Amino acid sequence: ETGVTQTPRHLVMGMTNKKSLKCEQHLGHNAMYWYKQSAKKPLELMFVYSLEERVENNSVPSRFSPECPNSSHLFLHLHTLQPEDSALYLCASSQDRASGSQQQYFGPGTRLTVT
Amino acid sequence: DQQVKQNSPSLSVQEGRISILNCDYTNSMFDYFLWYKKYPAEGPTFLISISSIKDKNEDGRFTVFLNKSAKHLSLHIVPSQPGDSAVYFCAAKSQGGSEKLVFGKGMKLTVNP
Repeated sequence: ETGVTQTPRHLVMGMTNKKSLKCEQHLGHNAMYWYKQSAKKPLELMFVYSLEERVENNSVPSRFSPECPNSSHLFLHLHTLQPEDSALYLCASSQDRASGSQQQYFGPGTRLTVT
Repeated sequence: DQQVKQNSPSLSVQEGRISILNCDYTNSMFDYFLWYKKYPAEGPTFLISISSIKDKNEDGRFTVFLNKSAKHLSLHIVPSQPGDSAVYFCAAKSQGGSEKLVFGKGMKLTVNP
């Protein structure tokens, strides 16, 4: 049990579909992240939320829309995706900066295939 | 341009021997470095970290060495065990309070029984 859960674990969607990825952390953390891992590429940070406020958006296309309703939940809404968006999407969380912890805890990821 | 580089995509070692995983970085503003391990179908899990004020950090069989002048760090695993077989990611974080981690591409370690 990593403390960070993601659903669904696998998702296949067409380019015209709308779907959402969900992440939940049970660790009492205040910061949450979305990463994308494509084949043979480094993990790419997409979004950072700290205390439910988006603090970083790494030039991600608008077809990806994050939502953080509270410090325990993070969503990634997907619409009109492209085949090149097929990847492993990882959610992570961390304690706030004041605690001094710099470690991020990852969920198992959602394997997304866009057809 | 990659700021964190893991130039070897894979490494194979014999059980009981030492595994040395290398990582280079280009951004001199990085002040904190982490290693993550990832098994198939799981998310990365934190392994060990080191602050730029240190040159070595040890935790059981895992030791991370940092050479700031060379902008190089390495992870030593000794003795290696078959359960250590996984993909290892090097990550770095810069000064200024940003939460952003910059990751390398990862390296697949295989420990043969």
